[in-house]
Amino acid sequence: GQNIDQPTEMTATEGAIVQINCTYQTSGFNGLFWYQQHAGEAPTFLSYNVLDGLEEKGRFSSFLSRSKGYSYLLLKELQMKDSASYLCAVRDNDYKLSFGAGTTVTVRA
Amino acid sequence: IAGITQAPTSQILAAGRRMTLRCTQDMRHNAMYWYRQDLGLGLRLIHYSNTAGTTGKGEVPDGYSVSRANTDDFPLTLASAVPSQTSVYFCASSAVAGGADTQYFGPGTRLTVL
Repeated sequence: GQNIDQPTEMTATEGAIVQINCTYQTSGFNGLFWYQQHAGEAPTFLSYNVLDGLEEKGRFSSFLSRSKGYSYLLLKELQMKDSASYLCAVRDNDYKLSFGAGTTVTVRA
Repeated sequence: IAGITQAPTSQILAAGRRMTLRCTQDMRHNAMYWYRQDLGLGLRLIHYSNTAGTTGKGEVPDGYSVSRANTDDFPLTLASAVPSQTSVYFCASSAVAGGADTQYFGPGTRLTVL
């Protein structure tokens, strides 16, 4: 099985940078995903890492270290609309996703 | 293109009743999934199907059944609902089960079992 940990809540100021950490212990690894979920809505895909290193997509970047079982999602130039839950998910060798409980980010003006 | 649709949007159900949650996708995706989302627990996989005609059990399959008669539809049935099945249910699909293909989620069904 998978054990995935991420902080429950984070608060940051508009225009700032926030880093959401995710650590995992898995019985198999076939990629790590980050999703964004606004309250009352469905999760939407943000990023995918399968190799070590940084993937950058506009204001959002995601990093993976497989040897450390560690990933982070970096949100830059925070906007009010970035207030949401961010879900870390690990895919196993059977292609099933296991999700962390999510990190709720609140952006203050 | 609608993507993934789920029905109903919400439902209040008496314990012991049978209920089928519907999920349809129009993206011709091979793989489909059912999750439940509970506060503090995140999304948990109930059942999945990597291709039409096949299904598999996820992390929390007890009390639920699925079928995959064709590519587009993946209904989830609660044979005899219990209050612990009160949750938000999300259906998802991906083009294939692996690779860089992400899962796309439907809007969810909020189910309350009394």
